[in-house]
Amino acid sequence: DIQMTQSPSSVSASVGDRVTITCRASQGISSWLAWYQQKPGKAPKLLIYSASSLQSGVPSRFSGSGSGTDFTLTISSLQPEDFATYYCQQANSFPLAFGPGTKVDIK
Amino acid sequence: QLQLQESGPGLVKPSETLSLTCTVSGGSISSSIYYWGWIRQPPGKRLDWVGSISYSGSTYYNPSLNSRVTISVDTSKNQFSLKLSSVTAADTAVYYCVRLHVATLVHHHWGQGTLITVSS
Repeated sequence: DIQMTQSPSSVSASVGDRVTITCRASQGISSWLAWYQQKPGKAPKLLIYSASSLQSGVPSRFSGSGSGTDFTLTISSLQPEDFATYYCQQANSFPLAFGPGTKVDIK
Repeated sequence: QLQLQESGPGLVKPSETLSLTCTVSGGSISSSIYYWGWIRQPPGKRLDWVGSISYSGSTYYNPSLNSRVTISVDTSKNQFSLKLSSVTAADTAVYYCVRLHVATLVHHHWGQGTLITVSS
């Protein structure tokens, strides 16, 4: 089974900062990776699929990159509504798996 | 617009079976391009994939739950269900029903989630 890790586990940032989150798969998953944003008390929201494809309606300040085992989510200019927890998910094969999450909070 | 709504008892006793239903509106569950499934999240912890099912009944389960979990689909009611047997406090979580695309295995649509507490 494929295991997912993320770093850092949390990051403190200010509005306007560039934020980068890393996700690593325990084995190669090509570009089969998704990123989700979750705010407290809410269901996760899909941001990016296939490693770099922006889901419809998601602001262009979000971008994803990577392939194989190493992936990155970048927020180019952090906005107040972006403070949340971000999860990656391997979408290569069943059983599916999520990373442990990265919490982005206010510095 | 697609909506997913979880329903079920909020409290389950240890050793009993947790049963949840997801009602799908605004779209048909009988589509070959989607899977339907469940994801849970214990309080303060990460998302945990429980399992997925196709409209025709093909199932995929989390190996850590495999012997206790059953997901089924009722196309006549546009619903799918989760049963988790022999629950313990470790099964306390918010349970989300989800739709994922067959081609990408990505969860595009989520229900609002329902908190299930396992306690006597």
